[in-house]
Amino acid sequence: EVQLVESGGGLVQPGGSLRLSCAASGFTFSDHYMDWVRQAPGKGLEWVGRTRNKANSYTTEYAASVKGRFTISRDDSKNSLYLQMNSLQTEDTAVYFCARGYNSFDCWGQGTLVTVSS
Amino acid sequence: DIQMTQSPSSLSASVGDRVTITCRASQGITNNLAWFQQKPGKAPKSLIYAASRLQSGVPSKFSGSGSGTDFTLIISSLQPEDFATYYCQQYNSYPFTFGPGTKVDIK
Repeated sequence: EVQLVESGGGLVQPGGSLRLSCAASGFTFSDHYMDWVRQAPGKGLEWVGRTRNKANSYTTEYAASVKGRFTISRDDSKNSLYLQMNSLQTEDTAVYFCARGYNSFDCWGQGTLVTVSS
Repeated sequence: DIQMTQSPSSLSASVGDRVTITCRASQGITNNLAWFQQKPGKAPKSLIYAASRLQSGVPSKFSGSGSGTDFTLIISSLQPEDFATYYCQQYNSYPFTFGPGTKVDIK
């Protein structure tokens, strides 16, 4: 069974940093593109960014709203995806989901809540 | 960026009803369109990709159609478990973008 489990969310002050993790199981993680999607409280879905697989040089794409502040990385040896978030702003408050980037986003984790507040 | 719009933004329907949700892209996206279902407090669930292909395990009461800029999701016979918010999403070009959602609730 494909499973994605996010962790690392919490409360952080504006200007602070946080690193989210996503543990994958049930599929060959290294073969797949992986994405982060977020959802602010009571709002819709917003794509954050993507990392491609090794065959595509682990290249990344980002939404303009996070480019230069967020970094997506992965460790295929640990079947793990990461989201390093720096210079956090109140508008970054959201549930962050990791998703497998196959046929759009075919599988999602349960999400982890990030709250940016003083 | 490609803007996605959905209509209606919400609808009330009864069990057994046929429900149609439309999605429009601000520019052509061929068939690179997906539909997701989300229930409160839960992760989105993928229903359809490539505009009309059902994800594995998704019941055939869901169907999608369209190409270019105009797309449709149909639920042929609404069941209690289908009351949720539905989002379309384009993955034709970066940044990927979602529609604002259509909330389907009980009449």
